[in-house]
Amino acid sequence: DTAVSQTPKYLVTQMGNDKSIKCEQNLGHDTMYWYKQDSKKFLKIMFSYNNKELIINETVPNRFSPKSPDKAHLNLHINSLELGDSAVYFCASSQGQGAPGNQPQHFGDGTRLSIL
Amino acid sequence: KQEVTQIPAALSVPEGENLVLNCSFTDSAIYNLQWFRQDPGKGLTSLLLIQSSQREQTSGRLNASLDKSSGRSTLYIAASQPGDSATYLCAVRTSGSRLTFGEGTQLTVNP
Repeated sequence: DTAVSQTPKYLVTQMGNDKSIKCEQNLGHDTMYWYKQDSKKFLKIMFSYNNKELIINETVPNRFSPKSPDKAHLNLHINSLELGDSAVYFCASSQGQGAPGNQPQHFGDGTRLSIL
Repeated sequence: KQEVTQIPAALSVPEGENLVLNCSFTDSAIYNLQWFRQDPGKGLTSLLLIQSSQREQTSGRLNASLDKSSGRSTLYIAASQPGDSATYLCAVRTSGSRLTFGEGTQLTVNP
């Protein structure tokens, strides 16, 4: 099936650990995103890559480092996990960025990260 | 800085009712506006996308309108069903392709 797929779906780990979340899209899109949804269900963008190039980097701690080995993959590595990192992380993709970039964004099912 | 507000935060209606969800945004310089549905513990499903040059989009029982100059959009759901129960999110796309989301409206349709 064509889709945006994230792994793992659930991630439970201890504070201080380092973890990675992977995202792959087979929609042929050239732009990928990471969003964070907090406990209040508010979604906020973290990063965006277009053709492996970082184009959006919101105010996110340096412990978060995205990596895009190719335009179909955007992984998120988190160092020294903290309690406040507990959230649902969504990957998304779209075709094109900036004007006229009017294509819809397609979202993965999310990765539920819980820090103990 | 773009801010998106959704009203009401929660809505409970009996099955069969028509309803309207509201979304407002502070910066009218948008490329498009997208309505999503999120079921508990699930990802986001795109419902409708309205380009900045359009006034409305329709899909089945859903109709979304956009008034860019006043910074408003509405999602109209006709003949609501229990299966429509979910959180509905409005998001606007601005420069750099980022989506700015509202906090959502949690809809419950009672049988």
